[in-house]
Amino acid sequence: AQSVTQLDSHVSVSEGTPVLLRCNYSSSYSPSLFWYVQHPNKGLQLLLKYTSAATLVKGINGFEAEFKKSETSFHLTKPSAHMSDAAEYFCVVRANQGGKLIFGQGTELSVKP
Amino acid sequence: DTGVSQDPRHKITKRGQNVTFRCDPISEHNRLYWYRQTLGQGPEFLTYFQNEAQLEKSRLLSDRFSAERPKGSFSTLEIQRTEQGDSAMYLCASSFAGVSDTQYFGPGTRLTVL
Repeated sequence: AQSVTQLDSHVSVSEGTPVLLRCNYSSSYSPSLFWYVQHPNKGLQLLLKYTSAATLVKGINGFEAEFKKSETSFHLTKPSAHMSDAAEYFCVVRANQGGKLIFGQGTELSVKP
Repeated sequence: DTGVSQDPRHKITKRGQNVTFRCDPISEHNRLYWYRQTLGQGPEFLTYFQNEAQLEKSRLLSDRFSAERPKGSFSTLEIQRTEQGDSAMYLCASSFAGVSDTQYFGPGTRLTVL
């Protein structure tokens, strides 16, 4: 069975400092991995996706993630946080059969001025 | 293309009542998914359709829940005899089956059962 584990339920950074949101995955097959963001009272928005092409994936708003098979990790990073980045972030793996998404518990990112 | 839309955005009902939610996917997307998200948790899969066919249902989907996608376009999710535990955000997503198969989400319907 596939799963993802987000290692931090809450991360707080200062504006202008780097962001690191950690995610480990479990999958018997080469996984398809995603990061989605959810701003308060807004829908889930796709940040980036990994589908077995380049291991360093660039997404929207300056975010990127690196797929590391040896560490079964797919951490999300951003060099410099902005106040507008404050939101809930979900690491997601897609099931091999049928395509349903399996979400992590989420990491709440706070950005301090 | 207006994205995935859901109606209503909010629904308050009394325990025991039936409720129905609607999802309109992105046009030409042949897959449609329903998820449920409770407070402080990630979304959990409920069911999905490819065209008109309902291909998978989660064990979370009790007999009180039913979903349809009669013409392979919009979908409805009905909950009969609602319970307080049904209070959640119900999310719909659509995708086009293929190599990419990226799911795009609607804004959700927030259900409160009193």
